[in-house]
Order: sequence, then C-alpha cells, then structure tokens
Amino acid sequence: DQQVKQNSPSLSVQEGRISILNCDYTNSMFDYFLWYKKYPAEGPTFLISISSIKDKNEDGRFTVFLNKSAKHLSLHIVPSQPGDSAVYFCAASERRATYGGSQGNLIFGKGTKLSVKP
Amino acid sequence: NAGVTQTPKFRVLKTGQSMTLLCAQDMNHEYMYWYRQDPGMGLRLIHYSVGEGTTAKGEVPDGYNVSRLKKQNFLLGLESAAPSQTSVYFCASSALRTTGELFFGEGSRLTVL
Repeated sequence: DQQVKQNSPSLSVQEGRISILNCDYTNSMFDYFLWYKKYPAEGPTFLISISSIKDKNEDGRFTVFLNKSAKHLSLHIVPSQPGDSAVYFCAASERRATYGGSQGNLIFGKGTKLSVKP
Repeated sequence: NAGVTQTPKFRVLKTGQSMTLLCAQDMNHEYMYWYRQDPGMGLRLIHYSVGEGTTAKGEVPDGYNVSRLKKQNFLLGLESAAPSQTSVYFCASSALRTTGELFFGEGSRLTVL
C-alpha cells in the first residue's frame, strides 16, 4: 500500500515553460514533505521542503504547494531548463515521530522523470 | 568535501555469495540509512541507524544485515545473495531524523547472477 504516490512516471516540457510535478499521500500523520532530484548514476539530492503548517514554499525557480485537505503536493519549476531533466522524488515523514520508532523515516514516491526539451 | 562515500560502486555476485557494502560519511551525522532503488519502485528503506551501535529495520530488511560500529560508518551485509537483491543501493545520512535533509552517496550497483 503506497503511502506516497507519484502517478505520472514521466513528464515532458518545453524549455522556458512551467513544469508541474504532482504527489499524493494517504497518511494523514505526514507533516513534512520534501522533493529530491536525481540524475542518472548519481545519488538523489535535496531540492526543497515544506512543513504542514505552510501551504507554499519558494526557492528560486522552485515552488512547492501543499494542499492538506486533498493530501496533495506539487512542485512547480519556472522557467524549466534542460538541466532540470532528472527524476524527481517526493518524500514525506512524520515530524512528531518518537525517537527509535519506525515513524519519522522518509517514505518516497516512485519518482517522475522530467524531460525538458530545448 | 567527500560527504557520503559508498564502496564498491559496482559488484557482480553469484547466488549464495556474501558481500558487504561500506558507507562512510564525514559530516558527523547521527542518522544513517540504506535504501535500495528498483525500476518503478522508487527508494525503499532497508535498515537505518539513529546512532553509533544502534540499528533498526526499515521497509524491506529481509536478507540484509547492518552494523554501525563507528559513527561515521554504516555497513550493509548480504549473507547469501539472491537474484532478487539485484538493485542499486544508496546510503544516506542526516543530522536530523524527521525534518533533516538526507545526503546520499552515489550508489552501488549490485548484480546477483
């Protein structure tokens, strides 16, 4: 049973346009969300995060939106650049997790492969 | 500025063989993790450690063992490799457990024939 779902395995966008990557979650206890970016043959790297007390967090060209009632978050990249072509993973955790328990570890989605075409 | 280093980067094993993947981090992080990535499956947590001398099971721990004898090192062992363990393995570390950014190694590609 997937707790974090990225229903689009791939997305293709023209350079300069907006890329929107979506993520849904089922566990209402999740209260912290992160996006990671992964290039081929490299490890994932942290991109941006958002706490459940916010509905938006912005960092340069990257903005994450959180809709708690819909249990949905999205990553917007504006403008998209060819160097943004990568696999993007959504991840979620419970900040309130107790020390030593399994809660609190990041749960990852399956990823969305973004291709930005020149 | 090494960050998280995994060795080896590639390995081919025969079914039943054993091996150990080594992860080393130089950021003085308390928490360390082993993930595996399979096509269409995303990243799944195998084992993790919240500090030196402590380990715990993640989502897919069967067939693996881990040890954290030193704070900077986290070892992942396969006692008797199976073809189902063919995967790319990522080690990660973090300063904080629930809100901290995970720093990943470059990955170790393991093939079990």
